[in-house]
Amino acid sequence: GAGVSQSPSNKVTEKGKDVELRCDPISGHTALYWYRQSLGQGLEFLIYFQGNSAPDKSGLPSDRFSAERTGGSVSTLTIQRTQQEDSAVYLCASSFDRSSGNTIYFGEGSWLTVV
Amino acid sequence: AQSVTQLGSHVSVSEGALVLLRCNYSSSVPPYLFWYVQYPNQGLQLLLKYTTGATLVKGINGFEAEFKKSETSFHLTKPSAHMSDAAEYFCAVGSASKIIFGSGTRLSIRP
Repeated sequence: GAGVSQSPSNKVTEKGKDVELRCDPISGHTALYWYRQSLGQGLEFLIYFQGNSAPDKSGLPSDRFSAERTGGSVSTLTIQRTQQEDSAVYLCASSFDRSSGNTIYFGEGSWLTVV
Repeated sequence: AQSVTQLGSHVSVSEGALVLLRCNYSSSVPPYLFWYVQYPNQGLQLLLKYTTGATLVKGINGFEAEFKKSETSFHLTKPSAHMSDAAEYFCAVGSASKIIFGSGTRLSIRP
């Protein structure tokens, strides 16, 4: 597609429920990132996918968080048993290849509110 | 390991004044450095980036940044602030894999 597409754009969920957030990267981009932006906070790295390599999961805050990337394209971030502190904007980004000299392009984000 | 420190979570300048947003990084390998901007209710977009070559990098909207290896800095400047520059600015450092962002600096412009 023309840009990074994320869905849903907004999600309100009850504490304890599971949520899935979807990211469709720019066509041809092999690198995909998930970041979290909490109110008044910076961008927190969550996970990084590069082609068929094992993902870098070093930023996932707990085992309630997981992500997968099917067929090297679409990615899903899953948060199990959501907590109020999970409320944030979840940003997906993609770039052409693993070289971090390449610009990463962000989606508009998925706003998650846990009530 | 890499990290980014942005000095000042909030900077306020008068319209027409110099804008200076500070960024220091640490990296064990030659870094790639970026500045991204997030306007209110919008997504992040690239302002400028340094990969190799000239250490003074020019970006969009009149912004520029200079890579100073000896100071491990990549400060963002603009000679004359405009009201439309009000936004959140993020410095980032990358290497062969992930890109790490700073905590951001909110720039306010006074009329």
